[in-house]
Amino acid sequence: AQRVTQPEKLLSVFKGAPVELKCNYSYSGSPELFWYVQYSRQRLQLLLRHISRESIKGFTADLNKGETSFHLKKPFAQEEDSAMYYCAPPHNYGGSQGNLIFGKGTKLSVKP
Amino acid sequence: GAGVSQSPRYKVAKRGQDVALRCDPISGHVSLFWYQQALGQGPEFLTYFQNEAQLDKSGLPSDRFFAERPEGSVSTLKIQRTQQEDSAVYLCASSFLGQETQYFGPGTRLLVL
Repeated sequence: AQRVTQPEKLLSVFKGAPVELKCNYSYSGSPELFWYVQYSRQRLQLLLRHISRESIKGFTADLNKGETSFHLKKPFAQEEDSAMYYCAPPHNYGGSQGNLIFGKGTKLSVKP
Repeated sequence: GAGVSQSPRYKVAKRGQDVALRCDPISGHVSLFWYQQALGQGPEFLTYFQNEAQLDKSGLPSDRFFAERPEGSVSTLKIQRTQQEDSAVYLCASSFLGQETQYFGPGTRLLVL
């Protein structure tokens, strides 16, 4: 079964510090991978997509097939980055479906 | 343009009551997904439609859950004889095609007492 693991439930950093949110996945092949973000009182929205490299707010993520990881990074965190972040590979990559398999999420808190 | 909308935003039901949750996807989006998000957890897949066809309902937790999308646009998730464990946020998402970016609605928060 396809699985995604986000080992950190909460990550707290100071403004201006680098941030890395970890994500490990378990399935073979060349996966599409998404990061979704949910800001307080807002709906889930796409943050970053691996294949198209769509990204907002300065975040990047590199797919490491050897480590089966897709960690999310930003060199200088801002207070407005405080949110819940979900790593989400789609089910049955290469097929026609694409329902997302969400990790449990990491809550990022950026302190002033 | 208008995003995905869901109604009601909040629903309180007594145990045993039937509820119906509505999702209006983005116009023209072929794929529609329902997810259930329990408190402190990530969303979990319930069911998937491609136009009016329900292609996957493997995530529905029991036969009390039923979803439909009769005309390939609006979808309804129905829960019969609600139980306390059904309390969660129910999210609807749509995409142009299955593998494309999914756009989420605001969710319906269901509380079963």
